[in-house]
Amino acid sequence: SQQGEEDPQALSIQEGENATMNCSYKTSINNLQWYRQNSGRGLVHLILIRSNEREKHSGRLRVTLDTSKKSSSLLITASRAADTASYFCAPQTSGSRLTFGEGTQLTVNP
Amino acid sequence: GAGVSQTPSNKVTEKGKYVELRCDPISGHTALYWYRQSLGQGPEFLIYFQGTGAADDSGLPNDRFFAVRPEGSVSTLKIQRTERGDSAVYLCASSAAGQGGQYFGPGTRLTVT
Repeated sequence: SQQGEEDPQALSIQEGENATMNCSYKTSINNLQWYRQNSGRGLVHLILIRSNEREKHSGRLRVTLDTSKKSSSLLITASRAADTASYFCAPQTSGSRLTFGEGTQLTVNP
Repeated sequence: GAGVSQTPSNKVTEKGKYVELRCDPISGHTALYWYRQSLGQGPEFLIYFQGTGAADDSGLPNDRFFAVRPEGSVSTLKIQRTERGDSAVYLCASSAAGQGGQYFGPGTRLTVT
């Protein structure tokens, strides 16, 4: 399975702290994507990192990819209460489907 | 519209009934995906359309599930003889191409009683 597996399952931090979530996967990928989901409804695409990239930034988000270890991390800096959500990684191979893990539930306390 | 829309937002049906869930993708997006999500789980892939044709339907759980996209835009997911285990949030997504980020709709919450 190409399912991404997120770690930890749950993370609780204070506003202003950084949050780091990790993702592991099993086979070769074309890219890896991170998504956020609030309240169990639609997912929001956050960032895509290609297999030939090692790091990517978007605002307060920093994503790294280590293809030799088949792992990725998502760092949210200076977290806000509004960042409270579930975060999913989704490795994408040559096909188009995304295969999600169970996600990391992030809680940012005011 | 600006984003992916799905109707209805909620659907309650009795076991054994037939339901249709609709997805309106972002205009111009050729790729359309259906996923379903149970509580506490990540979305599970069901089917992917490229244009009018189903390019990958390997995620459909059984032959009670069927999806169409006759004109390459709107898609309908059809579930026959619904079972209580079909209760979930059904998510639709679209993208400009088969690879890359997908834009998700708000989902349809299906409850089978």
